[in-house]
Amino acid sequence: NAGVTQTPKFRVLKTGQSMTLLCAQDMNHEYMYWYRQDPGMGLRLIHYSVGEGTTAKGEVPDGYNVSRLKKQNFLLGLESAAPSQTSVYFCASSPTGFSYEQYFGPGTRLTVT
Amino acid sequence: GDSVTQMEGPVTLSEEAFLTINCTYTATGYPSLFWYVQYPGEGLQLLLKATKADDKGSNKGFEATYRKETTSFHLEKGSVQVSDSAVYFCANAGGTSYGKLTFGQGTILTVHP
Repeated sequence: NAGVTQTPKFRVLKTGQSMTLLCAQDMNHEYMYWYRQDPGMGLRLIHYSVGEGTTAKGEVPDGYNVSRLKKQNFLLGLESAAPSQTSVYFCASSPTGFSYEQYFGPGTRLTVT
Repeated sequence: GDSVTQMEGPVTLSEEAFLTINCTYTATGYPSLFWYVQYPGEGLQLLLKATKADDKGSNKGFEATYRKETTSFHLEKGSVQVSDSAVYFCANAGGTSYGKLTFGQGTILTVHP
């Protein structure tokens, strides 16, 4: 039982390049989330999903897209990376929206130069 | 909107010292309150929670009481250990169905032997 896994762990991009971050969970959770963590700002929600085939915007969605084609996977895409997107990205999952306990992956450190 | 404010950090203590990390919140309705902990190089994990006023959450020697009258959820531990060194995040969850968490900015705790 791996819990929540994220790939890659580290990535360096040049401005304008694109990439996809993959999140996978093996707990059969319905809800999945993408956050970014910046110094002094806590975690901010980018996008989330309440079930397979659904996505919704969070607090800071601009410049990101997501997809949830399979229940266990939640992909975060950057179409044209900008230095402001340098951050640590965390994926989380939750069995339901009412439990509020979210299970986090280990994070992806992204640097955009 | 919902918000969470944590005490300014970082906090540096000697082993066996008493720990308090302050947290206050604003929210509509009756939020649930959480403390998450992030150990170096890892994702966040739930430390404790309280779902209604006057509830006390506790885990691993840490405690926090949901105080509606002061809109606070301060984290305390009577005797910290070196292994408690981590970043601590206070969070609240409003009365929505998708489990959206609002995080504070995090407090870095370092415990010296």
